[in-house]
Amino acid sequence: NAGVTQTPKFQVLKTGQSMTLQCAQDMNHEYMSWYRQDPGMGLRLIHYSVGAGITDQGEVPNGYNVSRSTTEDFPLRLLSAAPSQTSVYFCASSYTGTGVGGYTFGSGTRLTVV
Amino acid sequence: DQQVKQNSPSLSVQEGRISILNCDYTNSMFDYFLWYKKYPAEGPTFLISISSIKDKNEDGRFTVFLNKSAKHLSLHIVPSQPGDSAVYFCAAQQREYGNKLVFGAGTILRVKS
Repeated sequence: NAGVTQTPKFQVLKTGQSMTLQCAQDMNHEYMSWYRQDPGMGLRLIHYSVGAGITDQGEVPNGYNVSRSTTEDFPLRLLSAAPSQTSVYFCASSYTGTGVGGYTFGSGTRLTVV
Repeated sequence: DQQVKQNSPSLSVQEGRISILNCDYTNSMFDYFLWYKKYPAEGPTFLISISSIKDKNEDGRFTVFLNKSAKHLSLHIVPSQPGDSAVYFCAAQQREYGNKLVFGAGTILRVKS
């Protein structure tokens, strides 16, 4: 049981480049989310999904795009990378979406934009 | 507007003693509160949660207390162990807004042996 798998683990981008951060879960969870972690700011929600075909914005959605065509996958697209998007990105999934059992997180993608 | 606040950036505790991590919130409509532990280079791991209708939840060495009137919750770890050294995040969610998690900034716990 792999849980939540994020790829790549590390990435360096040049300003203006685009890329997709991959997230896959094998637990048949309906709820999936993307967070970014910055020093002193905890984790901030970028986008989330409550099921295939349904997505919504979180706290810091600008510059990011998501889609959810299957239950298993929830990719995060950076449209035109900026240095302000240098961060550690975490994908998470949950069966209930509630505090019961919480969310399962991936190990993260460390992104540097130069 | 920071809805979930962890005002102590770090805490240092001796092995075997109690660790108390605090969290304050501003939104009285939160339905659930959760604690996560995070080691370097790993994703956060769910630790324990509490419903807004309860005031205490216990799981082994970990107990979470909720004081709704003060909009305050705390995580107690007894006894503390060196392996507990990590960053602890408090988080809250509201059913009305899709149960999205709102995190505090985290507290670094160091347990000295």
